[in-house]
Amino acid sequence: AQKVTQAQTEISVVEKEDVTLDCVYETRDTTYYLFWYKQPPSGELVFLIRRNSFDEQNEISGRYSWNFQKSTSSFNFTITASQVVDSAVYFCALSEDNAGNMLTFGGGTRLMVKP
Amino acid sequence: DTEVTQTPKHLVMGMTNKKSLKCEQHMGHRAMYWYKQKAKKPPELMFVYSYEKLSINESVPSRFSPECPNSSLLNLHLHALQPEDSALYLCASSQEGYRELFFGEGSRLTVL
Repeated sequence: AQKVTQAQTEISVVEKEDVTLDCVYETRDTTYYLFWYKQPPSGELVFLIRRNSFDEQNEISGRYSWNFQKSTSSFNFTITASQVVDSAVYFCALSEDNAGNMLTFGGGTRLMVKP
Repeated sequence: DTEVTQTPKHLVMGMTNKKSLKCEQHMGHRAMYWYKQKAKKPPELMFVYSYEKLSINESVPSRFSPECPNSSLLNLHLHALQPEDSALYLCASSQEGYRELFFGEGSRLTVL
């Protein structure tokens, strides 16, 4: 069975600090997809990134970067030079190839960026 | 702004009431979802509609009744709910062949 673990329940940083959110997953499938979503106080989950299991290239998008390592079953998310607007709950999620678009979410990490 | 619109944003209802939550998307997505999210917890899947047909029901109690009148609309009919059903109800949609789900802002339900 699939499982996603986000060990950090809450992280507090001061603006401009770099912060890494950890995500570890378990799956028996060889084909799967990993996601990060951001949930601001408004409630909407905002899609940030999708990675499939055959693409281990790290990705950078502005201040955001993702490190996918199959060897350690991890898909970590780093925010560089954090800003107050980054304050939100961040969810890592897994979708197995044979499970359609069903997402298994991690427990979420609440990030608080203080000015 | 989100392209998945949910109404109402807030709903308070008694245990004997009948109410409905509505979700609308105009992105041409053919899969639509209902998720339930309790405070400080991740979203939990309730239902999936694919091409307007119910494809997944995650053993949800019958007091929750989904409906997909057309490819752009998704309703969740509520009847005889319990206080523990109070939660944020999120609607999402996805495009055929793609894995990303696009979520609305949710309807925050309080059952008294």
